[in-house]
Amino acid sequence: AQSVAQPEDQVNVAEGNPLTVKCTYSVSGNPYLFWYVQYPNRGLQFLLKYITGDNLVKGSYGFEAEFNKSQTSFHLKKPSALVSDSALYFCAVRDMSGSSNTGKLIFGQGTTLQVKP
Amino acid sequence: DTEVTQTPKHLVMGMTNKKSLKCEQHMGHRAMYWYKQKAKKPPELMFVYSYEKLSINESVPSRFSPECPNSSLLNLHLHALQPEDSALYLCASSPRDGTFNEKLFFGSGTQLSVL
Repeated sequence: AQSVAQPEDQVNVAEGNPLTVKCTYSVSGNPYLFWYVQYPNRGLQFLLKYITGDNLVKGSYGFEAEFNKSQTSFHLKKPSALVSDSALYFCAVRDMSGSSNTGKLIFGQGTTLQVKP
Repeated sequence: DTEVTQTPKHLVMGMTNKKSLKCEQHMGHRAMYWYKQKAKKPPELMFVYSYEKLSINESVPSRFSPECPNSSLLNLHLHALQPEDSALYLCASSPRDGTFNEKLFFGSGTQLSVL
C-alpha cells in the first residue's frame, strides 16, 4: 500500500536559518510526490512536485525538495526561513494502485513549521 | 482566474437541517474533488468527479450527496448530519482527470459546525 510519513509534528526554526521538513514514502512503482502548505483558515496551496528527472526540485516561495530514492525520502528545504513561512506543511504521494488513476492523493499527517523572529 | 471559490465560508446547522456547499472554478479544469479536514489533520478524500462523472466515492455516508451540474460547479448536499461531521470541507480542482502529475488547486473551504 502507498503511504507517506512525516515524522515531526512540529519544527521550530529561527528566522534566517535554514529549514528542513522531513517526509518519507512507501510506494510500489514510481513515486509521484508533492508538497502542499496550509496557512491558517485557508485551503492547501501547491508548493512543488517530483515526477521524474532531477532529484532537486525547486518550487514556490523559495522552497525546494530533495528526492532520495535509496532513503525513500522527499524532504522540503529552504535556505533562509521567514516568519511568514509559519504554516502547516503536508507531504503527499499519488496513489496509483487502484483501477482508476484519478486524482487520489495520500497525505502525510502534516508538520507545523514555526519560524520565530 | 486561478481560484477555486467556495461558499459559504462558515455554516452552522442542526442535525435535522438540509444545506448545500457550493464550489466553483473557471480555470477549465475537468476534475473536481471534495475533501474533509479536521483541525491539524490531513485532508481526507470524499469524492472525485472527472469530466462531470463521479469517479471516486470513498465510502462516504449517504447523508453527504455530491452533485456536479457542469464542469465549473460542484455541490455537496448535506442532510441529517451528525456533530462528528463538523469539519472544514475543502473543494479542489485539477486540469484533466487528476492523473499522476497534476497538482490540485484548493479553495479556502467551508467551516461546518453541526449542533
